[in-house]
Amino acid sequence: SSELTQDPAVSVALGQTVRITCQGDSLRSYYASWYQQKPGQAPVLVIYGKNNRPSGIPDRFSGSSSGNTASLTITGAQAEDEADYYCNSRDSSGNHLAVFGGGTKLTVL
Amino acid sequence: EVQLVESGGGLIQPGGSLRLSCAASGFTVSSNYMSWVRQAPGKGLEWVSVIYSGGSTYYADSVKGRFTISRDNSKNTLYLQMNSLRAEDTAVYYCAREMATIMGGDYFDYWGQGTLVTVSS
Repeated sequence: SSELTQDPAVSVALGQTVRITCQGDSLRSYYASWYQQKPGQAPVLVIYGKNNRPSGIPDRFSGSSSGNTASLTITGAQAEDEADYYCNSRDSSGNHLAVFGGGTKLTVL
Repeated sequence: EVQLVESGGGLIQPGGSLRLSCAASGFTVSSNYMSWVRQAPGKGLEWVSVIYSGGSTYYADSVKGRFTISRDNSKNTLYLQMNSLRAEDTAVYYCAREMATIMGGDYFDYWGQGTLVTVSS
């Protein structure tokens, strides 16, 4: 199976830029997708593919990838962006499994 | 409007069985990849299982041989049959529509609100 590694916690000052990273071998072959989850709510897709945002997701959210690392960048973080963020990708072993990172708790100061 | 509504969760004793349902509206379950994802209390997301539009099914190692994913096309509903339940299966279970891409960057674009399964004596 494959693993995706995320920093457990990251903080950012209001209005500043923050990057949340996700590392894993499978990211050399597959794009990551990113999900925002607030307490007591279901996850919400924020970035998918090379750098695509679903309808309704603010353009301050962007994604990028290099080698075995995928990144979610929030440019001009807002208070409402405080949440848990999870990356997801396909297992690199080719056996049709999906994997999630352990999640990053984002605090907006 | 796309909606996914899970049901069937509850308190079950270790070794017991439970079937979760996920009723979909706004799209056709059988034409899409559909997954179950779970989240233990205070923990992260864990992918559980997927059923492809063609009917192929796949499972996480942690549930293989105990859980079965299926669908009822006439009811546009996804199911997860869970047998031999263990305490570590305690979690909120979400169903999600999975969008497959040629470039291999599948993603989950719609999620249900989740249903809580508690395995305890």
